[in-house]
Amino acid sequence: QQQVKQSPQSLIVQKGGISIINCAYENTAFDYFPWYQQFPGKGPALLIAIRPDVSEKKEGRFTISFNKSAKQFSLHIMDSQPGDSATYFCAVVKTSYDKVIFGPGTSLSVIP
Amino acid sequence: EPEVTQTPSHQVTQMGQEVILRCVPISNHLYFYWYRQILGQKVEFLVSFYNNEISEKSEIFDDQFSVERPDGSNFTLKIRSTKLEDSAMYFCASSLRQATYGYTFGSGTRLTVV
Repeated sequence: QQQVKQSPQSLIVQKGGISIINCAYENTAFDYFPWYQQFPGKGPALLIAIRPDVSEKKEGRFTISFNKSAKQFSLHIMDSQPGDSATYFCAVVKTSYDKVIFGPGTSLSVIP
Repeated sequence: EPEVTQTPSHQVTQMGQEVILRCVPISNHLYFYWYRQILGQKVEFLVSFYNNEISEKSEIFDDQFSVERPDGSNFTLKIRSTKLEDSAMYFCASSLRQATYGYTFGSGTRLTVV
């Protein structure tokens, strides 16, 4: 079963633009929502994460918006740069289970 | 910055052979994990390991898989009799606390079963 859905599958954004990636989950028991960034040939790296008791979290150019009732959350990358070109995975965690469930990923290309 | 180190970076093996994928987690981390990523697909959980025991495993992690922490620094994944469908990137990860605090992933071992 697909517990985490992510869209779009790929995204092309001009330098300086806003990149938006959306994620939806099914199980209300999840209680931690990270985003991972993966460059080619590397493992995923934690980018930013949010808990369901807040609706937004910002770290530099990266913001997570969280809608608990809709079971959706999104990643916004402001002032996107070519160095942001990577695959982005949303993920969900239930803290009593020690595992991360990844979404299918979004390939972001930021063009000059 | 501390890293999770995985060796080899690429391994080719014949179907039916045993392979051992090796990982050196970050030295003060206590929780250890294996994930895999079939080419172009999502990252999938295999197993978590804490206090010398498996704490969680997925349905993918069947009897042909095993994990071990043979000494104070290494963490290994053994696949006893490889199948073509085991071809994937295998990522080791470690964490000081459980998943909610964020893992550090290694760069992966690309396993190709021929």
